[in-house]
Amino acid sequence: ETGVTQTPRHLVMGMTNKKSLKCEQHLGHNAMYWYKQSAKKPLELMFVYSLEERVENNSVPSRFSPECPNSSHLFLHLHTLQPEDSALYLCASSQEAGAISGANVLTFGAGSRLTVL
Amino acid sequence: QKEVEQNSGPLSVPEGAIASLNCTYSDRGSQSFFWYRQYSGKSPELIMFIYSNGDKEDGRFTAQLNKASQYVSLLIRDSQPSDSATYLCAPRDSNYQLIWGAGTKLIIKP
Repeated sequence: ETGVTQTPRHLVMGMTNKKSLKCEQHLGHNAMYWYKQSAKKPLELMFVYSLEERVENNSVPSRFSPECPNSSHLFLHLHTLQPEDSALYLCASSQEAGAISGANVLTFGAGSRLTVL
Repeated sequence: QKEVEQNSGPLSVPEGAIASLNCTYSDRGSQSFFWYRQYSGKSPELIMFIYSNGDKEDGRFTAQLNKASQYVSLLIRDSQPSDSATYLCAPRDSNYQLIWGAGTKLIIKP
Protein backbone atom coordinates (compact mmCIF):
# COMPACT_ATOMS: atom_id res chain seq x y z
CA GLU A 1 0.00 0.00 0.00
CA THR A 2 1.25 3.46 -0.84
CA GLY A 3 0.01 7.00 -0.31
CA VAL A 4 -3.17 7.66 1.64
CA THR A 5 -5.83 4.95 1.85
CA GLN A 6 -9.42 5.59 2.89
CA THR A 7 -12.12 3.08 3.73
CA PRO A 8 -14.92 2.63 3.03
CA ARG A 9 -15.12 4.33 -0.36
CA HIS A 10 -18.91 4.54 -0.13
CA LEU A 11 -21.14 4.58 2.93
CA VAL A 12 -24.89 4.88 3.27
CA MET A 13 -26.26 5.34 6.75
CA GLY A 14 -29.42 6.30 8.53
CA MET A 15 -29.59 9.24 10.89
CA THR A 16 -29.53 6.97 13.94
CA ASN A 17 -26.59 4.83 12.85
CA LYS A 18 -23.04 4.92 14.14
CA LYS A 19 -20.25 4.37 11.64
CA SER A 20 -16.59 5.22 11.23
CA LEU A 21 -14.37 6.33 8.38
CA LYS A 22 -10.79 5.13 8.37
CA CYS A 23 -7.67 6.70 6.90
CA GLU A 24 -4.15 5.31 6.76
CA GLN A 25 -1.07 7.01 5.36
CA HIS A 26 2.10 5.23 4.30
CA LEU A 27 4.18 8.34 3.66
CA GLY A 28 5.80 8.86 7.04
CA HIS A 29 4.01 12.18 7.42
CA ASN A 30 3.44 13.84 10.79
CA ALA A 31 0.16 15.62 10.07
CA MET A 32 -3.25 14.27 9.07
CA TYR A 33 -6.43 16.08 8.11
CA TRP A 34 -10.14 15.53 7.58
CA TYR A 35 -11.87 17.63 4.94
CA LYS A 36 -15.49 17.76 3.83
CA GLN A 37 -16.23 18.38 0.15
CA SER A 38 -19.76 19.27 -0.94
CA ALA A 39 -20.77 19.92 -4.54
CA LYS A 40 -19.65 23.32 -5.86
CA LYS A 41 -18.34 24.38 -2.45
CA PRO A 42 -14.77 24.91 -1.28
CA LEU A 43 -13.10 22.19 0.70
CA GLU A 44 -13.97 22.58 4.37
CA LEU A 45 -11.24 21.77 6.87
CA MET A 46 -12.68 19.77 9.75
CA PHE A 47 -9.79 18.54 11.86
CA VAL A 48 -6.00 18.63 11.87
CA TYR A 49 -3.75 16.32 13.83
CA SER A 50 -0.03 16.83 14.26
CA LEU A 51 1.89 13.93 15.80
CA GLU A 52 -1.41 12.50 17.07
CA GLU A 53 -2.41 15.72 18.80
CA ARG A 54 -5.42 17.66 17.56
CA VAL A 55 -4.31 21.14 16.56
CA GLU A 56 -7.36 22.37 14.71
CA ASN A 57 -11.08 21.89 15.10
CA ASN A 58 -13.03 24.17 12.83
CA SER A 59 -16.27 24.37 14.79
CA VAL A 60 -17.34 20.95 13.64
CA PRO A 61 -20.57 19.57 15.18
CA SER A 62 -20.02 17.01 17.91
CA ARG A 63 -21.73 14.32 15.82
CA PHE A 64 -18.34 14.09 14.09
CA SER A 65 -15.66 12.70 16.40
CA PRO A 66 -12.07 12.27 15.22
CA GLU A 67 -9.54 9.85 16.60
CA CYS A 68 -5.84 9.65 15.84
CA PRO A 69 -4.26 6.64 17.61
CA ASN A 70 -0.89 7.13 15.90
CA SER A 71 0.66 9.25 13.18
CA SER A 72 -0.33 6.79 10.45
CA HIS A 73 -4.01 6.30 11.27
CA LEU A 74 -6.96 8.66 11.49
CA PHE A 75 -10.60 7.88 12.10
CA LEU A 76 -13.78 9.90 11.85
CA HIS A 77 -16.56 8.51 14.01
CA LEU A 78 -20.05 9.40 12.87
CA HIS A 79 -23.26 9.33 14.88
CA THR A 80 -26.75 10.81 14.57
CA LEU A 81 -25.83 12.52 11.31
CA GLN A 82 -28.15 14.74 9.28
CA PRO A 83 -28.92 14.51 5.55
CA GLU A 84 -26.92 17.72 4.99
CA ASP A 85 -23.84 15.84 6.17
CA SER A 86 -23.93 13.85 2.94
CA ALA A 87 -20.69 14.70 1.15
CA LEU A 88 -17.28 13.43 0.13
CA TYR A 89 -14.99 13.15 3.14
CA LEU A 90 -11.35 13.46 2.26
CA CYS A 91 -8.41 12.48 4.40
CA ALA A 92 -5.04 14.06 3.71
CA SER A 93 -1.56 14.03 5.16
CA SER A 94 1.45 16.31 5.00
CA GLN A 95 4.99 16.20 6.26
CA GLU A 96 4.24 18.93 8.80
CA ALA A 97 1.05 20.72 9.85
CA GLY A 98 2.07 24.34 10.05
CA ALA A 99 5.23 24.74 8.08
CA ILE A 100 6.60 27.00 5.44
CA SER A 101 7.60 25.58 2.06
CA GLY A 102 6.63 22.28 0.59
CA ALA A 103 6.42 20.52 3.94
CA ASN A 104 2.78 21.55 4.04
CA VAL A 105 1.87 20.00 0.68
CA LEU A 106 -1.16 17.78 1.12
CA THR A 107 -1.53 14.27 -0.24
CA PHE A 108 -5.17 13.24 -0.38
CA GLY A 109 -6.82 9.88 -0.12
CA ALA A 110 -9.47 8.85 -2.63
CA GLY A 111 -12.26 9.91 -0.28
CA SER A 112 -15.28 8.32 1.37
CA ARG A 113 -18.60 9.21 -0.25
CA LEU A 114 -21.16 9.45 2.57
CA THR A 115 -24.91 9.44 2.06
CA VAL A 116 -27.16 10.05 5.05
CA LEU A 117 -30.76 9.00 4.60
CA GLN B 1 -13.76 35.89 6.72
CA LYS B 2 -10.91 34.83 4.47
CA GLU B 3 -12.12 34.25 0.93
CA VAL B 4 -10.78 32.81 -2.28
CA GLU B 5 -12.65 33.57 -5.48
CA GLN B 6 -12.54 31.48 -8.62
CA ASN B 7 -14.79 31.54 -11.65
CA SER B 8 -16.72 28.27 -11.41
CA GLY B 9 -16.80 27.85 -15.20
CA PRO B 10 -16.96 25.70 -17.11
CA LEU B 11 -14.11 27.24 -19.04
CA SER B 12 -13.97 25.71 -22.50
CA VAL B 13 -10.63 25.82 -24.35
CA PRO B 14 -9.69 24.24 -27.69
CA GLU B 15 -7.05 21.55 -27.65
CA GLY B 16 -3.58 23.02 -28.13
CA ALA B 17 -4.56 26.48 -26.87
CA ILE B 18 -3.55 28.17 -23.61
CA ALA B 19 -5.94 27.77 -20.69
CA SER B 20 -5.87 30.61 -18.16
CA LEU B 21 -7.28 30.03 -14.69
CA ASN B 22 -7.60 32.92 -12.27
CA CYS B 23 -7.91 33.27 -8.51
CA THR B 24 -8.20 36.23 -6.14
CA TYR B 25 -7.80 36.06 -2.38
CA SER B 26 -8.66 38.34 0.51
CA ASP B 27 -5.98 37.53 3.11
CA ARG B 28 -3.02 39.87 2.57
CA GLY B 29 -1.06 37.71 5.01
CA SER B 30 -0.99 34.81 2.55
CA GLN B 31 2.56 34.01 1.52
CA SER B 32 2.29 30.84 -0.54
CA PHE B 33 -0.22 29.65 -3.06
CA PHE B 34 -1.11 26.18 -4.23
CA TRP B 35 -2.86 24.85 -7.31
CA TYR B 36 -4.52 21.46 -7.14
CA ARG B 37 -6.25 19.54 -9.91
CA GLN B 38 -9.27 17.35 -9.25
CA TYR B 39 -10.60 14.97 -11.86
CA SER B 40 -14.27 14.09 -11.63
CA GLY B 41 -14.79 11.47 -8.94
CA LYS B 42 -11.18 11.70 -7.78
CA SER B 43 -9.33 13.50 -5.02
CA PRO B 44 -7.28 16.69 -5.44
CA GLU B 45 -3.65 16.36 -6.47
CA LEU B 46 -0.98 19.05 -6.35
CA ILE B 47 0.09 20.69 -9.59
CA MET B 48 2.44 23.33 -8.25
CA PHE B 49 2.93 26.08 -5.67
CA ILE B 50 4.42 29.55 -5.79
CA TYR B 51 5.79 31.92 -3.15
CA SER B 52 7.34 34.83 -4.98
CA ASN B 53 5.81 37.49 -7.17
CA GLY B 54 6.20 36.72 -10.84
CA ASP B 55 6.08 33.51 -12.81
CA LYS B 56 7.02 29.95 -11.97
CA GLU B 57 7.12 27.38 -14.74
CA ASP B 58 6.83 23.61 -14.50
CA GLY B 59 6.50 21.88 -17.84
CA ARG B 60 3.31 23.04 -19.54
CA PHE B 61 2.15 24.79 -16.37
CA THR B 62 2.98 28.35 -15.30
CA ALA B 63 1.82 29.89 -12.05
CA GLN B 64 1.72 33.68 -11.84
CA LEU B 65 1.54 35.63 -8.60
CA ASN B 66 0.84 39.29 -7.92
CA LYS B 67 0.63 39.88 -4.18
CA ALA B 68 -0.12 43.58 -4.53
CA SER B 69 -3.23 42.74 -6.53
CA GLN B 70 -3.94 39.62 -4.45
CA TYR B 71 -4.14 37.63 -7.62
CA VAL B 72 -2.75 34.28 -8.67
CA SER B 73 -3.24 32.47 -11.94
CA LEU B 74 -2.39 29.19 -13.61
CA LEU B 75 -1.63 28.94 -17.31
CA ILE B 76 -1.69 25.62 -19.12
CA ARG B 77 0.07 25.65 -22.48
CA ASP B 78 -0.72 23.23 -25.29
CA SER B 79 -3.91 22.13 -23.51
CA GLN B 80 -4.77 18.46 -23.79
CA PRO B 81 -8.11 16.70 -23.26
CA SER B 82 -6.47 15.05 -20.22
CA ASP B 83 -6.24 18.51 -18.64
CA SER B 84 -10.04 18.59 -18.35
CA ALA B 85 -10.66 18.77 -14.61
CA THR B 86 -11.53 21.17 -11.83
CA TYR B 87 -8.65 23.37 -10.71
CA LEU B 88 -8.53 24.44 -7.08
CA CYS B 89 -6.67 27.51 -5.86
CA ALA B 90 -5.52 27.44 -2.24
CA PRO B 91 -3.56 30.26 -0.61
CA ARG B 92 -1.96 29.41 2.69
CA ASP B 93 -2.91 31.93 5.34
CA SER B 94 -0.84 33.46 8.11
CA ASN B 95 -1.76 30.46 10.34
CA TYR B 96 -0.28 28.14 7.71
CA GLN B 97 -3.68 26.69 6.83
CA LEU B 98 -4.95 26.37 3.28
CA ILE B 99 -7.97 28.48 2.33
CA TRP B 100 -9.67 26.81 -0.64
CA GLY B 101 -11.50 28.23 -3.59
CA ALA B 102 -14.50 26.33 -4.97
CA GLY B 103 -12.59 25.59 -8.17
CA THR B 104 -12.83 26.27 -11.89
CA LYS B 105 -14.04 23.50 -14.15
CA LEU B 106 -11.90 23.33 -17.28
CA ILE B 107 -12.99 21.52 -20.43
CA ILE B 108 -10.49 20.98 -23.25
CA LYS B 109 -12.30 20.37 -26.52
CA PRO B 110 -10.56 18.14 -29.09
